[in-house]
Amino acid sequence: AQKVTQAQTEISVVEKEDVTLDCVYETRDTTYYLFWYKQPPSGELVFLIRRNSFDEQNEISGRYSWNFQKSTSSFNFTITASQVVDSAVYFCALSEAPGGADGLTFGKGTHLIIQP
Amino acid sequence: EAGVTQSPTHLIKTRGQQVTLRCSPISGHTSVYWYQQALGLGLQFLLWYDEGEERNRGNFPPRFSGRQFPNYSSELNVNALELEDSALYLCASSPRWGEGANQPQHFGDGTRLSIL
Repeated sequence: AQKVTQAQTEISVVEKEDVTLDCVYETRDTTYYLFWYKQPPSGELVFLIRRNSFDEQNEISGRYSWNFQKSTSSFNFTITASQVVDSAVYFCALSEAPGGADGLTFGKGTHLIIQP
Repeated sequence: EAGVTQSPTHLIKTRGQQVTLRCSPISGHTSVYWYQQALGLGLQFLLWYDEGEERNRGNFPPRFSGRQFPNYSSELNVNALELEDSALYLCASSPRWGEGANQPQHFGDGTRLSIL
């Protein structure tokens, strides 16, 4: 069975601080896909990144970076120089099928609060 | 490009009633997914439709059902509503399974269902 754990329920930092959101996953498959989504107060889930199990290369996109480590089954997300607009709930998700065709398994989410 | 659209935005029902939620996928997407986001339970996969067929189902009772139309739009039906059905229901779409399989699911704004 698949499982995604986001141990941090809520994180509060002051604007411009760096913050890392943790994600630990469990799966028996050797091929799987990991995702991060952002859910602002409006409710819509916004796709941030997808990573497959064969690609352990870390990725940076502007102030966002992701660290994928198969050895520790982790896929952590770092926001550098955080901004108030980054305030949202962030979800890590796992699928054993490309694109999440079998339905994404989500973690409980981390509520990130960026204080001005 | 229009995103995933869901209707209605909000809905209030009473126990025992039936409800229908609607979803229009992104143009060109043939797969539609339904998720339930209930307080304290996180995001849970409900149903996956592709090419008009139900392809996969999460751990939900049969009173949760749906269908997909020839234009790939979808309906989620919930019968005999219970208080615990109060939740945000999110619809997502992605390209046809097997094509663009590396594409992520894109979500709509959701329908907030309240059961009194």
